[in-house]
Amino acid sequence: KAGVTQTPRYLIKTRGQQVTLSCSPISGHRSVSWYQQTPGQGLQFLFEYFSETQRNKGNFPGRFSGRQFSNSRSEMNVSTLELGDSALYLCASSLRDKGEKLFFGSGTQLSVL
Amino acid sequence: AQSVAQPEDQVNVAEGNPLTVKCTYSVSGNPYLFWYVQYPNRGLQFLLKYITGDNLVKGSYGFEAEFNKSQTSFHLKKPSALVSDSALYFCAVRDPSGGYQKVTFGIGTKLQVIP
Repeated sequence: KAGVTQTPRYLIKTRGQQVTLSCSPISGHRSVSWYQQTPGQGLQFLFEYFSETQRNKGNFPGRFSGRQFSNSRSEMNVSTLELGDSALYLCASSLRDKGEKLFFGSGTQLSVL
Repeated sequence: AQSVAQPEDQVNVAEGNPLTVKCTYSVSGNPYLFWYVQYPNRGLQFLLKYITGDNLVKGSYGFEAEFNKSQTSFHLKKPSALVSDSALYFCAVRDPSGGYQKVTFGIGTKLQVIP
């Protein structure tokens, strides 16, 4: 069974641009969540989707948005990029049970210049 | 609101010695607790979880964790450290009460096993 796939692996953008990151969950997993990882901040929760609906949202500005498609694939978008958006963005999928573990992709490393 | 604290940024231990990575949590109800490990340039991998039952939970790669409700702790342990255990370790909590809550992670503890 294929794992969680995130594309692209690396991205370099300049301030003010926008970016779209993609995540394909494990087959059969309908829950997808996104996290931002930076040194010293750990993993900050961005949002979670289930069956194309956003179920939870973290404390990020409206420049951060996402969506989920009918095949459970998910995208997140960051508009008007700022230097502070440089981070590793991780996607995780799971069976939507509270006690279930998360399966993470390798992440997209975003650098904003 | 739920939260997790990992009080040590880094833990150094000699190969063959026991290791402990500390974690404390705060939730309003009974917690679901998790440990994940991250190797360089990789995503996180699940190690173990506590949902209910025995306070001592065994997981992957010889790791175990002890749930202590009175101290609100969930420390990760291993009897004998390996150099290959060197990685970044994250504790995480989910509050299962009051609807479907997000998983909250700590800031991570870097484990360095010295040969």
